[in-house]
Amino acid sequence: AQKVTQAQTEISVVEKEDVTLDCVYETRDTTYYLFWYKQPPSGELVFLIRRNSFDEQNEISGRYSWNFQKSTSSFNFTITASQVVDSAVYFCALSEAEAAGNKLTFGGGTRVLVKP
Amino acid sequence: DADVTQTPRNRITKTGKRIMLECSQTKGHDRMYWYRQDPGLGLRLIYYSFDVKDINKGEISDGYSVSRQAQAKFSLSLESAIPNQTALYFCATSADTGVPYNEQFFGPGTRLTVL
Repeated sequence: AQKVTQAQTEISVVEKEDVTLDCVYETRDTTYYLFWYKQPPSGELVFLIRRNSFDEQNEISGRYSWNFQKSTSSFNFTITASQVVDSAVYFCALSEAEAAGNKLTFGGGTRVLVKP
Repeated sequence: DADVTQTPRNRITKTGKRIMLECSQTKGHDRMYWYRQDPGLGLRLIYYSFDVKDINKGEISDGYSVSRQAQAKFSLSLESAIPNQTALYFCATSADTGVPYNEQFFGPGTRLTVL
């Protein structure tokens, strides 16, 4: 069975600090997909990134960057120079291959609080 | 207009009442999902449907039932609500195109409180 662990339940930083959110996953599949979602205080889920298991390149999008390491089954997310608008709950999620129906397994989420 | 809508957005009900949460989508997707979100547990899958005639239990289906009335509509029912079903409920859809992965699109959520 697949599992996603986000060990940090809450992180508090001061604006402009960097913050890294950890995500560790378990799966027996060789083909899988990893995701990060943001849930702002308004409650909706905002898709941030998808990575497939064959693409270990790190990715940067503005102040966001992701580090995928298959060797440690981790897919960590860093926010550089955090801003108050980054305050949200962030979820890491895993989906096994198409044959499994693309069902998502979510981690418990990490609440990020950015103080001015 | 939003592609995936959920009604109601907020609901307070009493223990033992029957309640239905509705999800509609205009994306033309075959696959629909219901998740519930609890603090510290993330989102967990309740039921999913690959088409109108194909409905499957997810991780936590006990106490819930679903109905896929049409391709565009997928309803979640709590036959006899209990307080530990208080949660935020999300509906999601995805296409079925045979490619390795089809992204899920989430509705805005329904906040349910059972007193």
